[in-house]
Amino acid sequence: EIVLTQSPGTLSLSPGERATLSCRASQGVSRNYLAWYQQKPGQAPRLLVFGASSRATGIPDRFSGSGSGTDFTLTISRLDPEDFAVYYCQQYGSSPSTFGGGTKVEIK
Amino acid sequence: QVQLMQSGGGLKEPGASVKVSCKASGYTFNSYVISWVRQAPGQGLEWMGWINPYNGNTDYAQTLQGRVSMTTDTSTSTAYMELRSLRSDDTAMYYCARGRVSYSSSSSFKYWGQGTLVSVSS
Repeated sequence: EIVLTQSPGTLSLSPGERATLSCRASQGVSRNYLAWYQQKPGQAPRLLVFGASSRATGIPDRFSGSGSGTDFTLTISRLDPEDFAVYYCQQYGSSPSTFGGGTKVEIK
Repeated sequence: QVQLMQSGGGLKEPGASVKVSCKASGYTFNSYVISWVRQAPGQGLEWMGWINPYNGNTDYAQTLQGRVSMTTDTSTSTAYMELRSLRSDDTAMYYCARGRVSYSSSSSFKYWGQGTLVSVSS
């Protein structure tokens, strides 16, 4: 089973700042099948990025994913007030699919 | 538009079973794998498994093997997840999700149900 470790656990930033979230895999993610999700309280997760770097339909271009192999990054170029939430990475290239523990982006 | 409408769940006693439904609409049901993900209160996401409505193939998380069953009714475009021998640590929000890519179990989850809360307590 691939273990995904997200860091930091919490990121305290102000609107307009840049956020950089990390997701590290215990072994290589097959075909870079790595997704990022945003989850707000009381809501289901929302797909942001798939295939490590492809933005999902309707996702603002301030969200970008990068990385390959075992190291992946989600960058939010300028935080909008609606971006404060919890972010999860997920690998879906091998079974079982696994999720990281999440990074909470909070208002500083 | 694609929608996944969940029902079922609720308060269950330890040892009981629960069956959660996920009714799909807005797309061809047989063309996309349905996955199930759960989230304990205040915790992260846990993949439970998937079912392919086209052929009934399933893949379950090893931690749930023997207790979980995923099925579909293609006549009503509904997927089901049954969890047996419930324990207190099964208390969670349960989500169904549809893959982004058709006919693939290796797909990110583009569409999600609204979630169904299952609470296990005596």
